[in-house]
Amino acid sequence: AQSVTQLDSQVPVFEEAPVELRCNYSSSVSVYLFWYVQYPNQGLQLLLKYLSGSTLVESINGFEAEFNKSQTSFHLRKPSVHISDTAEYFCAVSEGGGSYIPTFGRGTSLIVHP
Amino acid sequence: DTGVSQDPRHKITKRGQNVTFRCDPISEHNRLYWYRQTLGQGPEFLTYFQNEAQLEKSRLLSDRFSAERPKGSFSTLEIQRTEQGDSAMYLCASSPGQPSEKLFFGSGTQLSVL
Repeated sequence: AQSVTQLDSQVPVFEEAPVELRCNYSSSVSVYLFWYVQYPNQGLQLLLKYLSGSTLVESINGFEAEFNKSQTSFHLRKPSVHISDTAEYFCAVSEGGGSYIPTFGRGTSLIVHP
Repeated sequence: DTGVSQDPRHKITKRGQNVTFRCDPISEHNRLYWYRQTLGQGPEFLTYFQNEAQLEKSRLLSDRFSAERPKGSFSTLEIQRTEQGDSAMYLCASSPGQPSEKLFFGSGTQLSVL
């Protein structure tokens, strides 16, 4: 069965600093990988996804994530964060060969300080 | 595209009472999901529908929980004989139907059981 581990519950960082939010998954089959973001008082929305092909995927607001099959990881990175990036970030995996129901990690709270 | 809407936004009830939540997905979306989220945790899968058929239920979904999606449109989630442990945010999401598609989440219904 699939599972997702987000080791960091909180990541504090100063504005304009780089950040990495870690995500590891467990699955024995092919997977689709997602990062969702939840801004304060808003619903979850997709940030980026990996389906196949290039292992590096990017979002429109400067985030990127790299699929690493050997390490079963899908870490999220941004070279320079803004105050507005303060939010909860959730990694999710859906497993091929079945119903593709996404399983979510516990989330990482990114706190950007001025 | 009016988004996924959930009603009510908040529900406070006494232990032992029954509650019902409604979700209106994006109109052309075939798949509809219910998740539950507690503080400090990611969304946990409860159940999902493909059109009007309920195809999978989590072991988290006790006999007190029932979900319906008549005619493949809106969905309701009912909790009978509520317990304090049912207090959580109940999230509804929909997707067009392809496994690679992202989920569109509603803002959720916050349930508090006193």
